[in-house]
Formats: sequence, C-alpha cells, structure tokens
Amino acid sequence: EAGVTQSPTHLIKTRGQQATLRCSPISGHTSVYWYQQALGLGLQFLLWYDEGEERNRGNFPPRFSGRQFPNYSSELNVNALELEDSALYLCASSLVWGSTETQYFGPGTRLLVL
Amino acid sequence: DAKTTQPPSMDCAEGRAANLPCNHSTISGNEYVYWYRQIHSQGPQYIIHGLKNNETNEMASLIITEDRKSSTLILPHATLRDTAVYYCIAPVYGGSQGNLIFGKGTKLSVKP
Repeated sequence: EAGVTQSPTHLIKTRGQQATLRCSPISGHTSVYWYQQALGLGLQFLLWYDEGEERNRGNFPPRFSGRQFPNYSSELNVNALELEDSALYLCASSLVWGSTETQYFGPGTRLLVL
Repeated sequence: DAKTTQPPSMDCAEGRAANLPCNHSTISGNEYVYWYRQIHSQGPQYIIHGLKNNETNEMASLIITEDRKSSTLILPHATLRDTAVYYCIAPVYGGSQGNLIFGKGTKLSVKP
C-alpha cells in the first residue's frame, strides 16, 4: 500500500512569490493535515481538511491556505512568501477524523525562501 | 502546548533495550497515548498507541501505568537506525479537533 506522497520534494522561491505544495493521502483516507516544521523548531499544525472542507487551522496568517480535492488530495498555498516561511512542510492523512485515528505522514516538502 | 513531558535526550547501546519515558498527568480517561518518531529531516513515523492496556507491535511495546499518568515506549533491541527524535503525544487532538500537538520529544542516540 502506497503511503502519503508529497510533491515537490524541494522548492526554492524568492520573497513575495507564491508556493504551491501538493499531497496525496493514503488510498481510502479522507482527512488530510498540514504541518510546518521550521529549522530547529517543532512541528506546528497548519490546516486540516476532511471531505473537502477546512475543519480547523492553526495559528498562521491567512496567506497560508489550501484546499482538498474530490479525490481527497490536497494543496497548500503560501502567498507573499517571507524568509521565515522556509521550513519542512509535512502532510499527513487519516482514515477518518477522530482521536482514535492514526495520522500517517508523508516525507515532506522542503521550502527555501531566498 | 504539548501536555506531555519527556527527557530531552537519551543514549542507548546497540542491541540493548531502549526505554523512553513520558509523563502525561493531565490525560483524561478516554484519550489515547500515541508515539511517533522522526529520523532526521524525514516525516514523523507512527510507532504505536494505546489507551489503558499495554500494547505491542512489530516495532515496539507501550507500557501505560494503571493511573494513566505516564507511559514507557520500549524498543527491545535498539539498532543504529533507531536513532531519532521520539514524540509522545497525549491527548492526540489537544484542545482542537484534528491536530497533533508535538512537543520537543526525546532525542535517542543509539551507539555502537
């Protein structure tokens, strides 16, 4: 069974540009989660999508947005990039949502903002 | 904030058991304890989870105290590939549905 996949693996952008990161969940999983891990910092929750709807978002500005498609894949968009947006962006998926549902993570997209 | 407390680092000799402790004194009765690990610059890997009873899978064992205030992850025969940051997460969804609250974890170094 294929795991969570993310693309691209690396992305280099300059300040002010927009970045689009993509995630494909495990087959059959309907919930997708996005996390940010800046260098030397812990994982911070960004967004959660379930059945195409945004269910919750973390403490991030509105220029971080995303969507979930009918096939449950997801896209994270970061507008007006800032240097501090440089980080590893991780996507996770779970079968359904709920405290008993394990989240499985992808390998991440490493974004570098110059 | 994460509601778990873990030692920042631990060492373990290759081939020996690694016992990683976690305190979660504020956990409520129906909240699970999850363990993940993150090998350098990779996505977190799910290891095991439990509620009340001890659990074992092909990767590790999880021992939860009867009062559920603490747990121990046991890697029975640590290898160099087990060197990673181990995260104990409880409760899984914190104050908001959907997100995992990762603390700083325990950096386990397995040495030859």
